[in-house]
This record gives sequence, structure tokens and C-alpha cells, in this order.
Amino acid sequence: AQTVTQSQPEMSVQEAETVTLSCTYDTSESDYYLFWYKQPPSRQMILVIRQEAYKQQNATENRFSVNFQKAAKSFSLKISDSQLGDAAMYFCAYRRVAGSAYNQGGKLIFGQGTELSVKP
Amino acid sequence: GAVVSQHPSRVICKSGTSVKIECRSLDFQATTMFWYRQFPKQSLMLMATSNEGSKATYEQGVEKDKFLINHASLTLSTLTVTSAHPEDSSFYICSARGSFGTEAFFGQGTRLTVV
Repeated sequence: AQTVTQSQPEMSVQEAETVTLSCTYDTSESDYYLFWYKQPPSRQMILVIRQEAYKQQNATENRFSVNFQKAAKSFSLKISDSQLGDAAMYFCAYRRVAGSAYNQGGKLIFGQGTELSVKP
Repeated sequence: GAVVSQHPSRVICKSGTSVKIECRSLDFQATTMFWYRQFPKQSLMLMATSNEGSKATYEQGVEKDKFLINHASLTLSTLTVTSAHPEDSSFYICSARGSFGTEAFFGQGTRLTVV
């Protein structure tokens, strides 16, 4: 079974600084998706960034980038120029590539989460 | 991105009663919907996966008769908590995905309090 592990329950960063959140996963699949989701105090889940396993290039979305190490099964999130609005719970998630539209391959497997605080 | 609307956002019900939570995809056809439960400061726990027109697939340990899931159309899924008890109090979140989409979109969540 696939598992996702976030070993940092809490992290803190100074405003405008850079922080890296760690995530490791375990799978026997060769093709899959990895995600980072943000859950602010409103508890709305927001997709931050997505990585396809077959792509070697690390995904980037503005101030957010990932370091995807497929052989090491590691998927860390780097937040640059941290802002107060980045304070939230961050979840790493894994999903198999669905073989068809109607199977459970689409279900997300979440890590335990990392609570990020941003100090002004 | 696509919009998923979950209603109600908060509900308080008496112990022993049933409560229904709706999850609607507003601008796409959701072939698959997922229902999660989340306790404070914890991760999302998948309860069940539903495909339109089919019976839901429940995760191990989730009571099918207590948490009834219906996915009768491509835009609506409902979760009914039957004979609710205080231990069912939690935050429930739905997400929806289209046929060939990579991403699942999340509803705003429902905070259920059973008194």
C-alpha cells in the first residue's frame, strides 16, 4: 500500500525568508502524481503545486517549487519570500494514475500535515 | 479552477437524528467524488469513494449504514450521517474529479456538531 510521510509536524519561518517542507512516500508504482495542498484556518483545501512522476523537471508555481527525487521517493516543497498569508497547514498527497475514470486510482493519500507559521 | 460547493458549512443536530451534507460540482461533471473526515490538527481521512450511478466504495472501518453516500447525478453527491452521536462530530470534506482530470477539487467543508 502507498504511504505518505511528513516528518515535520510544525515549521516556522520569518517573513520574506525561505522554508522547505519535507515529504517522503512509498509506492511500487512507476507513474503517479504528487501534490502539495494548503489548508488555511478557513479549512478550504487549496492546491499549491502538482508534479507528474514521469516528468523529471521540478514543478514551479510562482514562489512555490518542489524538489522531486523519484529514486529517493522524496517530494519537498520550497516556499520563497514567505508571506503572512502562507501560514497554514500543508499536506503532501499521492495519487496513482487512474487506469479508468471509474476506479479508486483517483483517491488521494495524504501525509500527516505540517503546520507552517510565518513570523512578521 | 473548477468549483465544488458543499452545504451546509455548519450544522448542529441532536443525538439520534440524521443529517445530510450536499456536495455539488458547479461547472464540471464529477464522475468521482470523495468524502473525507478530518479531526482538529489532523490529516484528511478518506471515508468513501463514489462513482456516479454506482454504489460507494467505503474504506476499511467506515460504517456503511451510518454514513450513507449517494451519487445519483454527475453534479451531486450526498453524505447522510444517520442516527448521529456526539462522536460523529467532526469536519467533513468532499472533493470531486472529472472523467479525465488529474486534479480533484474540494468543497469548503462541513462542521458537524452533534449535541
